[in-house]
This record gives sequence, C-alpha cells and structure tokens, in this order.
Amino acid sequence: DAGVIQSPRHEVTEMGQEVTLRCKPISGHNSLFWYRQTMMRGLELLIYFNNNVPIDDSGMPEDRFSAKMPNASFSTLKIQPSEPRDSAVYFCASSFGTGGTGELFFGEGSRLTVL
Amino acid sequence: AQSVSQHNHHVILSEAASLELGCNYSYGGTVNLFWYVQYPGQHLQLLLKYFSGDPLVKGIKGFEAEFIKSKFSFNLRKPSVQWSDTAEYFCAVNAYNTDKLIFGTGTRLQVFP
Repeated sequence: DAGVIQSPRHEVTEMGQEVTLRCKPISGHNSLFWYRQTMMRGLELLIYFNNNVPIDDSGMPEDRFSAKMPNASFSTLKIQPSEPRDSAVYFCASSFGTGGTGELFFGEGSRLTVL
Repeated sequence: AQSVSQHNHHVILSEAASLELGCNYSYGGTVNLFWYVQYPGQHLQLLLKYFSGDPLVKGIKGFEAEFIKSKFSFNLRKPSVQWSDTAEYFCAVNAYNTDKLIFGTGTRLQVFP
C-alpha cells in the first residue's frame, strides 16, 4: 500500500495567494483528518471527515480555511487568502473503523511557507 | 473540551538511561489513549494504544505506557533508551466512540551515545 499521499510536499507562496493542499487517503479507510503542526501550538486538528462527510470542523481557524472531500480517495484543504501566520506543516491522516479505535496513518506532510 | 498536556517539552538523555514522558488529559468520560512517534524527517506513526483492559500496555521498540485513571495520566516509559529513539513523541486522546483525536504539544527526545 502506498500510504497516505500528500501534495505538494513544499509550498512557498506570497501573502494573499490561494493555497490548495491535496490528500489521497489509504484505500478502504473511511475517516480522514487534517492537522496543522507548528512549534508554538503542536499538532492541531483542523477538520475530520467520516465517509466523506465533514464531522467536526471546529478546529478550522477562520473562514479563510476550507476543506472538501468529494470522494473517498481525495481531499483538499484550501487557504484563501493565505497569511504568514498560516506557515506550518499540514498533515493529512486516514483511518479505518469507528469508535475512535482506528490507528491513524499519516502522510509525509505539506510544508507551507507564506511570505 | 478535551485537552492533552505533555509537561516535558525537551528531554535529553544518554544511551541506556531510563525514560518517562508525562501525559495528562482532561476529559470526564471513557477515553482511548495513544502515543505516536515522529522520527526526524518522517511522518507520525503509532507507538502504542490503550482502549480497555490491562492498564499497562506494551508497544513497539520496547516502549510501554501505564494508564492511571485516577490521575488522568498515560505516561510513556522505556527502561533503556537508544540513540535511535531520538524523535518527537506525542500523546493523544479521543473520547470513547468518537474519532476526534486530540494531540498534546509533543516532547522532543534527544538521546546521545
């Protein structure tokens, strides 16, 4: 299995630009998570989906952030417009099962730098 | 709301020293507990997990953790660390029967030969 695949691995952009991060979960997994990692705040859960439906987006910082999961094999996290404080590593993870007992499998992360 | 506290932000040890990393959570109900590890340049991976039963759980690479319900703690231990254990360690919790996994801020462990 290829694991969770994220793209791009690195993104450098200027303030005000739109950023789209992509994630392909492991085939057969039914939950998908987006996390943001920074030195100051550690790993923050932004949003998670179950069977392609957003379940909890309370961690999304503000309206500039949006996430979609149009099908079981693809999700996007979009930031528009981007700001320097959005600079972080964004991780996507997927899991199988319900009830919170499924192991999360993480992608390599997308390192975003907003100048 | 659930939260997870890892009080040790940076731990430095010599090889063969014993390790204990603290983890406390705040949630009044039944929880599932996890430790994840992130080796330098790699993605997070599961080290061990606790759902129910024996509160002392064993994971990969000689790690173990003990769930103490009365203290809301799930500390990670290893009797003798190796240089290859240098990594960042994250404690995580979710409320029973939900998928929302909350992570602590992580503990960076450096092991010197």
